Amino acid sequence: QSALTQPASVSGSPGEAITISCTGTTSDVGGYAYVSWYQHHPGKAPKLMIYDVSLRPSGVSNRFSGSKSGNTASLNISGLQPEDESDYYCASYSTRGTPYVFGTGTKVTVL
Amino acid sequence: QVQLVESGGGVVQPGRSLRLSCAASGFTFNNYGMHWVRQAPGKGLEWMAVIWNDGGKKQYADSVTGRCTISRDNSKNTLHLEMNSLRADDTGVYYCARDLTVSGVLTFYLDSWGQGTLVTVSS
Repeated sequence: QSALTQPASVSGSPGEAITISCTGTTSDVGGYAYVSWYQHHPGKAPKLMIYDVSLRPSGVSNRFSGSKSGNTASLNISGLQPEDESDYYCASYSTRGTPYVFGTGTKVTVL
Repeated sequence: QVQLVESGGGVVQPGRSLRLSCAASGFTFNNYGMHWVRQAPGKGLEWMAVIWNDGGKKQYADSVTGRCTISRDNSKNTLHLEMNSLRADDTGVYYCARDLTVSGVLTFYLDSWGQGTLVTVSS
C-alpha cells in the first residue's frame, strides 16, 4: 500500500500562510471524507489537528484548516508561528489493502 | 487526563519475537478502539494495526500481516502488540494511539498518542 504523497518541506515567515498538499487516489483521499492531519514534533507524541477533512478537535487553533478537492487534501496554516515548526502528516481511510495510510510527511520550517 | 504509556521496547536480535504493551488510563478503555503506529529512523509514520473496543475485530497493514498480532486486555486497560520474525527494518519507535470512537463506531482518527517505545533489531 503506497503512502499518500506530500511535499518533503514547506517554509514560511512568521505571520504568513502556508499550504501542505496530500495526494492520493480514488481509493483513499478522493473516495472518502475521512482525511485527517497530524502534527509531530520529533521525540513527542503526534497530535491530531484535523479530522473529517476540515474539522478541528477541541483545543486546536483556528489557524489550522483543512480542505479537499478530488484526490488531493490540503492543510492550511495561517498566521504562521514559530511553534508551528514541525512535521505534518496527512492520513486517510483506504479501500486498497491497508485500511489506513499516512502521507509521506512534510517538514514545516518557520523562517 | 488520557494517558498512554508504551513499554517493552529494546534491542532484539533478527528473527526473534517481541511483545509491546501500552498501559491506558484516564478514560474508559473498553469504549475505544486502539491502534499501533511506528516510525523508522528518518522515516514517516506507518500505521500498523487496529483492534476494536471489544477485541472482536482486528485489522493489519499489508506490511505486517502474518507477523504481528494486536490484542487487548480490557480488565487491565492494556493493549499489546506481538511481533515475530523481526527484521532490521522493524527498527523504530512504536506508538499506541486511541481511536476517536463514537458510540462503538471506530473513526480511524487517532486522538491520543503515547510517547512511544524504541525497538532496535540488531545482532
